Amino acid sequence: GAVVSQHPSWVICKSGTSVKIECRSLDFQATTMFWYRQFPKQSLMLMATSNEGSKATYEQGVEKDKFLINHASLTLSTLTVTSAHPEDSSFYICSALDSENEKLFFGSGTQLSVL
Amino acid sequence: GENVEQHPSTLSVQEGDSAVIKCTYSDSASNYFPWYKQELGKRPQLIIDIRSNVGEKKDQRIAVTLNKTAKHFSLHITETQPEDSAVYFCAASIGSGYSTLTFGKGTMLLVSP
Repeated sequence: GAVVSQHPSWVICKSGTSVKIECRSLDFQATTMFWYRQFPKQSLMLMATSNEGSKATYEQGVEKDKFLINHASLTLSTLTVTSAHPEDSSFYICSALDSENEKLFFGSGTQLSVL
Repeated sequence: GENVEQHPSTLSVQEGDSAVIKCTYSDSASNYFPWYKQELGKRPQLIIDIRSNVGEKKDQRIAVTLNKTAKHFSLHITETQPEDSAVYFCAASIGSGYSTLTFGKGTMLLVSP
């Protein structure tokens, strides 16, 4: 199946710093990518929809100035957590839409811990 | 918006038994229903999906059924194995697109040897 690469797999940072997470579709072009947040033993919560060449669409309650999304190419979307705080600690997962085959593939996730 | 309910939240079975996970959805416009398996700390993996023009789909030990009238769909795993242990998520997409999915809360399946 198609591969979506997400880096880093885990990151520890100090409160107040920014962290960038990358999501790449390796063998297909993804005009649309998605970013989710997942708390332990809970479901995937959609944070935002990332569209190549345009602004991301954020879900209600998600701060666009805190979670910056850039989708500059058909294979790469980035999520930057700005001025991170301990409450931002979570598992973040991206997914990419293979529109040709109408399938959604997930990245491997990033465990963010803010000290 | 769409609301997806998933039951049970945990399911324990003996190896070789069958497991059934059920989901209901609220928006009759939903037409794509995938199931994902997520092992601890790993990415969700698509295991099977069904579209609204089909009532049942099977892939080896896994099958999914869809009842559009009742707005519910189910995942059936037969001859369960310990490696089937994971969290399973159902999802439904609204309208004609397959992009935005609403996920159920997940079912933790434990298969005991």
